[in-house]
Amino acid sequence: GAVVSQHPSRVICKSGTSVKIECRSLDFQATTMFWYRQFPKQSLMLMATSNEGSKATYEQGVEKDKFLINHASLTLSTLTVTSAHPEDSSFYICSAETNSYNEQFFGPGTRLTVL
Amino acid sequence: AQSVTQLGSHVSVSEGALVLLRCNYSSSVPPYLFWYVQYPNQGLQLLLKYTTGATLVKGINGFEAEFKKSETSFHLTKPSAHMSDAAEYFCAVSGPASGGSYIPTFGRGTSLIVHP
Repeated sequence: GAVVSQHPSRVICKSGTSVKIECRSLDFQATTMFWYRQFPKQSLMLMATSNEGSKATYEQGVEKDKFLINHASLTLSTLTVTSAHPEDSSFYICSAETNSYNEQFFGPGTRLTVL
Repeated sequence: AQSVTQLGSHVSVSEGALVLLRCNYSSSVPPYLFWYVQYPNQGLQLLLKYTTGATLVKGINGFEAEFKKSETSFHLTKPSAHMSDAAEYFCAVSGPASGGSYIPTFGRGTSLIVHP
């Protein structure tokens, strides 16, 4: 149980385009979902926390207009990188939390490359 | 406030040797402690976690960790390393945050290198 999926696993896009990444909890309803960014050889950096039906809470220094988060249901959250630039290239990981557990369950990650 | 320090960005061992990855934490509340493993281009996989109860926690793949409150440590060990253990390991600490979420704070990670 407690499986989280992400789609796509890899995406390459041109500078200036927008990219949407989906995060789904497959076998449970997630009360809260989280988005992380990971640079090569570095740890995970929390970008934002989202609850279903509410606006996301962004961490300090994360541009909310650039990284749009939508949490439309208890099993789906999306991260849209708007007007992507090469410096947005990174590994994006989502996670989900449910009231039944005291931990987060992580997705497999999405590798974004902006040319 | 909480933080995690992982001593050593790289640890190199021979196959069959003891694995010891160090983690020290600070937390203003009783901590929940985690070890995750990450293989290249993959997400995080939970190895083990401590919440309450027994301080020696056994996880998957033969790993275990001991919560030592007096030392604020949660070191990860494995008696005999396998080549397949080569990966990045992250220690994390969390506690109940506002709204009830458990948002972990991650260490910088330790890359485990296993030599044949």
